[in-house]
Amino acid sequence: QKEVEQNSGPLSVPEGAIASLNCTYSDRGSQSFFWYRQYSGKSPELIMFIYSNGDKEDGRFTAQLNKASQYVSLLIRDSQPSDSATYLCAATTGGFKTIFGAGTRLFVKA
Amino acid sequence: ETGVTQTPRHLVMGMTNKKSLKCEQHLGHNAMYWYKQSAKKPLELMFVYSLEERVENNSVPSRFSPECPNSSHLFLHLHTLQPEDSALYLCASSQAPGSNQPQHFGDGTRLSIL
Repeated sequence: QKEVEQNSGPLSVPEGAIASLNCTYSDRGSQSFFWYRQYSGKSPELIMFIYSNGDKEDGRFTAQLNKASQYVSLLIRDSQPSDSATYLCAATTGGFKTIFGAGTRLFVKA
Repeated sequence: ETGVTQTPRHLVMGMTNKKSLKCEQHLGHNAMYWYKQSAKKPLELMFVYSLEERVENNSVPSRFSPECPNSSHLFLHLHTLQPEDSALYLCASSQAPGSNQPQHFGDGTRLSIL
């Protein structure tokens, strides 16, 4: 069974710190990786996507991909209380299927 | 209106009822998806439509019946549901039929089965 694993958390960081969210995937054929943010009672919202090994930066967010280790991470710099949410990692293998992790709850303390 | 809109936002139904969930996307996308989200579980892909044709059916029980009359609208017809079907049902769309495309989600329908 193809899976995406995330630590459920909660991950608690102080305001201004770096939050590091991690994700592993089981299907070595996975090609594309996505990070979504989901506030309580709201729909998932795309934060970042990454296709190639290495780092991809967008503002305060950096996605990191290591295909050899089957590992994806999301770094949030200068964390704000408004970043408190559940972060979903997703992986696709081509075709039409996207596999989601169960999400990591992040809490940023003011 | 912009984005992906779902109606109703909340639905309570008995196990013998028949109801439908509606999704509409205003993004000009060609692919639409239904997901089930249960508490503390990963999003479960149910169905994928590409250009109004169903391309993925993820072993979903027949009491869930999808319909895609055009590339902007997607329905999920429900009948004879079970209590374990209570969940948040999310609709999503993407620009092209292909999983390398990021998906845009609606706010979901919270379904409760009595």
